[in-house]
Amino acid sequence: EVQLVESGGGLVQPGGSLRLSCAASGFTLSSFEMDWVRLAPGKGLEWVSYISRGGSTIYYADSVKGRFTISRDNAKNSMYLQMNSLRAEDTAIYYCARDRGVFDWGQGTLVTVSS
Amino acid sequence: EIVLTQSPGTLSLSPGETATLSCRASQSVNSNYVAWYQQKPGQAPRLLIYGASSRPSGIPDRFSGSGSGTDFTLTVSRLEPEDFAVYYCQQYGSSPPRTFGQGTKVEIK
Repeated sequence: EVQLVESGGGLVQPGGSLRLSCAASGFTLSSFEMDWVRLAPGKGLEWVSYISRGGSTIYYADSVKGRFTISRDNAKNSMYLQMNSLRAEDTAIYYCARDRGVFDWGQGTLVTVSS
Repeated sequence: EIVLTQSPGTLSLSPGETATLSCRASQSVNSNYVAWYQQKPGQAPRLLIYGASSRPSGIPDRFSGSGSGTDFTLTVSRLEPEDFAVYYCQQYGSSPPRTFGQGTKVEIK
């Protein structure tokens, strides 16, 4: 069974940093592209970042470019999102997703940016 | 980047009625690679339709998708109480990002 488990969310002050992790099981991580998607309160799904199978190709939404860094460790079956210079508008549930064109989703981790 | 526009923003219907949701793309979607997801509060999105009209196993046949090119539709027939949720379309016909529409909320009238 495919499982994606996010961790690392929490409460952080504006300007702070967090590192999200996504632990994958039930499949070979290196065979799949991966993404992060977020859902902010009262908003719709927003794609955040993409990473190719080997990590050589990466894309970011304009809203996070220069502040967030996506990475993966296929040997550890894990993907990460380093989030720096966090803003109130980054408050959201962050989902990791296996990208086979359509997405398979984790349950999400909540990030709250507030003083 | 392909922009997806969903309409209406909110649909107020009664159980037993039919919901018709629209998703329009800013340019033609390759191979009609459009998916629809359902999301309820506190839950991850759930895949309902892929390839514009195919249903994964376990999805009831009251959910159907249609369309091609730039115009796609999700129809939910005979609305059940558990169908009231937010629905998103997504295109995956071009290289990343796999963009989403802004969502349509189907609420109980």
